[in-house]
Amino acid sequence: EVQLVESGGGLVQPGTSLRLSCAASGFAFNDYWMHWVRQVPGKGLVWVSGISTDGTTTNYADSVEGRFTISRDNTKNTLYLQMNSLTVEDMAVYFCARQYTSGWYYFDYWGQGGLVTVSS
Amino acid sequence: SYELTQPPSVSVSPGQTASITCSGDRLGSKYVCWYQQKPGQSPVLVIHQDTKRPSGIPERFSGSNSGNAATLTISGTRAIDEADYYCQAWDSSSGYVFGTGTKVTVL
Repeated sequence: EVQLVESGGGLVQPGTSLRLSCAASGFAFNDYWMHWVRQVPGKGLVWVSGISTDGTTTNYADSVEGRFTISRDNTKNTLYLQMNSLTVEDMAVYFCARQYTSGWYYFDYWGQGGLVTVSS
Repeated sequence: SYELTQPPSVSVSPGQTASITCSGDRLGSKYVCWYQQKPGQSPVLVIHQDTKRPSGIPERFSGSNSGNAATLTISGTRAIDEADYYCQAWDSSSGYVFGTGTKVTVL
């Protein structure tokens, strides 16, 4: 069974940093592109970042480019999102998601989500 | 940037058909998928590649895509289908784009 379990969310002050983790199991993690998608409570889904199978290619939404860094450790089957210079606009539930297969641009499995609250 | 527009809400009676549209420029030239999201839960893929249902998704869910609009149809809607639904496509300039979301209410 495919499982994606996020951790690392919490309450932080504006301007600080936080790292999210997503532990994957039940599939060959190193065969799949992985992504982060966020959702402000009560609002819609927004893609944040994606990373290739070997970690050499990364993509970011304009809103987080230069502040967020996506990475992965294929030996630990874990995806990460390092978030720096957080603002209130970054407050959201962050989901990790598996891309179906390379060349097909949608997400077939999602984690349960981790809430990031940015407040002074 | 590329945008996908959905109606904010759709209401349907149990057993009837619910149709949710997703509009975007030349959307028919792109592949569209649909996600179902219930309150407090993560999204679940219900349609991919315009018309395909993942394993475990009931046959009452179907999709189509042509011209400037894609449609998710729920036939014989049940109370358990009450949820938010999002379309999603990929655009070469904008990347992964989600629709604005539609709340389906089963009255």
